[in-house]
Amino acid sequence: DAGVIQSPRHEVTEMGQEVTLRCKPISGHNSLFWYRQTMMRGLELLIYFNNNVPIDDSGMPEDRFSAKMPNASFSTLKIQPSEPRDSAVYFCASSPRDREVNTIYFGEGSWLTVV
Amino acid sequence: AQSVTQLDSHVSVSEGTPVLLRCNYSSSYSPSLFWYVQHPNKGLQLLLKYTSAATLVKGINGFEAEFKKSETSFHLTKPSAHMSDAAEYFCVVRAFSGGYQKVTFGTGTKLQVIP
Repeated sequence: DAGVIQSPRHEVTEMGQEVTLRCKPISGHNSLFWYRQTMMRGLELLIYFNNNVPIDDSGMPEDRFSAKMPNASFSTLKIQPSEPRDSAVYFCASSPRDREVNTIYFGEGSWLTVV
Repeated sequence: AQSVTQLDSHVSVSEGTPVLLRCNYSSSYSPSLFWYVQHPNKGLQLLLKYTSAATLVKGINGFEAEFKKSETSFHLTKPSAHMSDAAEYFCVVRAFSGGYQKVTFGTGTKLQVIP
């Protein structure tokens, strides 16, 4: 089992540039989550998908953020245009079947710095 | 409504002494409870989970937690701390209601282990 795979692991970009973060969930998992972690705000849920459909995007900070899940094995989180305050670690996570008992498995994170 | 309170933001113990990380929760549903560990610059790894079976749950690396419904607590313990336990620990509550899931993270407890 390869686990949740995220790319890039590290990205440094200039303010105003578009950033695309990618995630491959664990095969067979039908829930996918995007989280953001910062020192100031801790872990925040941005959006989660169930069976490729966005269920709750109330955590997406503003229109500059968008997320897609075109199929069960791939998701993207896009920031356009990026701002320095978007600097954070972005985690993708997945979970098998839509039940509370099931573990949520996290990727290693994408470390984003916007200068 | 659902919330998680980790009562200590930092805990410091000497190597070889017991560890206690406290977590209290509230939920309108019948949640599952989890503890995750995050080592520096890493993703979150599951330590253990409670899913309404045994109230005393054993996890990896010698950690265990006891679910106490009357106290709405799920404290994490370990009899003897090891240097490698130094990390941040998150208590998590997950519940479903009406096809909608709610995952709530605590704010984290940083464990320092003194040689």
